[in-house]
Amino acid sequence: EVQLVESGGGLVQPGRSLRLSCKASGFNFRDSAMSWLRQSPGRGLEWVAYIRKEAYSRTAAYGASAKGRFTISRDDLNSIVYLQMNSLQTEDTGIYFCTRDFSASTPDYMDVWGKGTTVTVSS
Amino acid sequence: QSVLTQPPSVSEAPRQRVSISCSGSSSNIGSNGVNWYRHLPGKAPKLLIYYDDLLASGVSDRFSGSKSGTSASLAISALQAEDEADYYCAVWDDTLRGVVFGGGTKLTVL
Repeated sequence: EVQLVESGGGLVQPGRSLRLSCKASGFNFRDSAMSWLRQSPGRGLEWVAYIRKEAYSRTAAYGASAKGRFTISRDDLNSIVYLQMNSLQTEDTGIYFCTRDFSASTPDYMDVWGKGTTVTVSS
Repeated sequence: QSVLTQPPSVSEAPRQRVSISCSGSSSNIGSNGVNWYRHLPGKAPKLLIYYDDLLASGVSDRFSGSKSGTSASLAISALQAEDEADYYCAVWDDTLRGVVFGGGTKLTVL
């Protein structure tokens, strides 16, 4: 079964850091690009970050809200993708989804989604 | 304010057909394929349509997509109660260099 399971969410104070993890199974993770998206309270979906596969040097792309603060990375040996979030702000509160991205080079459509992990940034 | 514009809500009776619009610009919808997702709160979002009008694997053929210029539409025929959900359009934006989403449309089956 193709599956993505996120973890690492929780309550964190503004200015602190948090690292999210996403364990993939049931497909060739090493040959897949991956993304993180989020849904903030009362708002829609927002693309956060994208990481290419090894053949594309595992390079990343980021949405405007994530640039300079968030870092996406991957562990192909264990089929895990991470999202390191620094300098968290209250606006970063939301549900964070891990996804498989169809395109190897440019963020495209996401054909596999996890159920999400909740991040709450509050003092 | 989302880059893509969707109606906040639509409603229709069971067994009828409904259409959800998504309006953008030449840098996104006008030059790249549009994708549609369904999201039920508490569940994983699901891909419905990709590249404007291609049906994702396992998705009912009651769903269809279309595009004209800088606008796209998702149509759902023979509405069922289980179709109640939030629907989002998304596309790559050449100017912003990122994936942009519509604000989402809540579908209510009367």
